[in-house]
Amino acid sequence: QSTLTQPASVSGSPGQSITISCTGTISDVGAYNYVSWYQQQPGTAPKVIIYEVSIRPSGVSYRFSGSKSGNTASLTISGLQTEDEADYYCFSYTRSATWVFGGGTKLTVL
Amino acid sequence: QLQLQLSGPGLVKPSETLSLTCSVSGDSISGSDYYWGWIRQPPGKGLEWIGNIFYSGTTSYNPSLKSRVTISVDTSRNQFSLNLHSVTAADTAVYYCATKSYRLWGQGTMVTISS
Repeated sequence: QSTLTQPASVSGSPGQSITISCTGTISDVGAYNYVSWYQQQPGTAPKVIIYEVSIRPSGVSYRFSGSKSGNTASLTISGLQTEDEADYYCFSYTRSATWVFGGGTKLTVL
Repeated sequence: QLQLQLSGPGLVKPSETLSLTCSVSGDSISGSDYYWGWIRQPPGKGLEWIGNIFYSGTTSYNPSLKSRVTISVDTSRNQFSLNLHSVTAADTAVYYCATKSYRLWGQGTMVTISS
């Protein structure tokens, strides 16, 4: 199975908003509302920040939001902060009853 | 509170079997309708889903690893395990266990494949 397609890198200035896309197919992202997003700081385990497309776990900042349109899911971070600098991964359930990650996006806060 | 604790060797020889165990505390594997899964991350690279086992015993594996992977559950010990056979240097990675539809992850352990 192929990985979901994410931009390799995105950047923004503090206070700005950025969006990271995650493009799959009708067999994964487009098939179910089981898309998650993870934030990974260097040397640490990934942390879920969005699950089931748009649900934010308790304790995750309201500045993180998720959405989906067709075969593409998106993560938006508003009011960028320096602490948001990290790698971000999308993750989706598939029609084959498997799961698949995106390739990851490195966010730089300038 | 559900927690996962991963254990296993940090060094495995090429062609041998990598075996890791994830111990579950705070809930019963047999009584939870969760996926119990494994993910890995090679140094400097992205995340790769390895596979999972459902509480019913149904397994699902990454097609690229399916021929070499076995995931099992030991309900008596409240643990689930990963066996990856015939390993090569390409299997060197940080390995994670996870559950609750991958919303809860263990701490991860680095496994190096080397003679």
